[in-house]
Amino acid sequence: QVQLVQSGAEVKKPGDSLKVSCKTSGYTFIDYYVHWVRHVPGQGLECIGWIFPKSGGTHYEQKFQGRVAMTRDTSTSTVYMELTSLTSDDTALYYCTRENWYYDHWGQGTPVTVSS
Amino acid sequence: DIVLTQSPDSLAVSLGERATINCKSTQNILNNSYRKDSLAWFQLKPGQPPKALIYWTSTRESGVPDRFSGSGSGTDFTLTISSLQIEDVAVYYCQQYYSGRTFGQGTRVEIK
Repeated sequence: QVQLVQSGAEVKKPGDSLKVSCKTSGYTFIDYYVHWVRHVPGQGLECIGWIFPKSGGTHYEQKFQGRVAMTRDTSTSTVYMELTSLTSDDTALYYCTRENWYYDHWGQGTPVTVSS
Repeated sequence: DIVLTQSPDSLAVSLGERATINCKSTQNILNNSYRKDSLAWFQLKPGQPPKALIYWTSTRESGVPDRFSGSGSGTDFTLTISSLQIEDVAVYYCQQYYSGRTFGQGTRVEIK
């Protein structure tokens, strides 16, 4: 069955960088876009961007451009999201999700807390 | 960018009664190749990842109870829960996948 398993919770200080992994299984990794979405407490769902594992091509939402990078490792079917220059506004639950037009499978979420 | 606006922001419904959530898009989201509107609905509960309920406006995801249904076309869409159950208490989001990906702001559903 399709699974996306994310790395564990992170606690960071303002200005730090964050790298979250998302290991996939149960499907052909290179054939599906993987998106990253976050849920800020008390707010809605926010798209961060995507990576297409076959080519490594990426797209980042304007809000995150310049401080986000998504990469992949085809040998382990894993995608990564790195977010730099963290502020308290980046405190959120981060999810990876597989795109099948809509988002049909999700990782379990990685809680990230940014606090001094 | 396509903006989705949900209404209401929250609603309280008695157990067994109908809950209706609306989602309005700022532009048409019809996928001409599939001849379907590119709209999905998700359910979000605390401690769980979002769960896809409906895609292509009205196609129910496998395993989703048939009390959940989606409808609409063009720019106006609706998620209906025909008989609210306690386990349906959650926040519901619409999402368009016609141009990029955007979510509505969410609708909180509670028990009256």
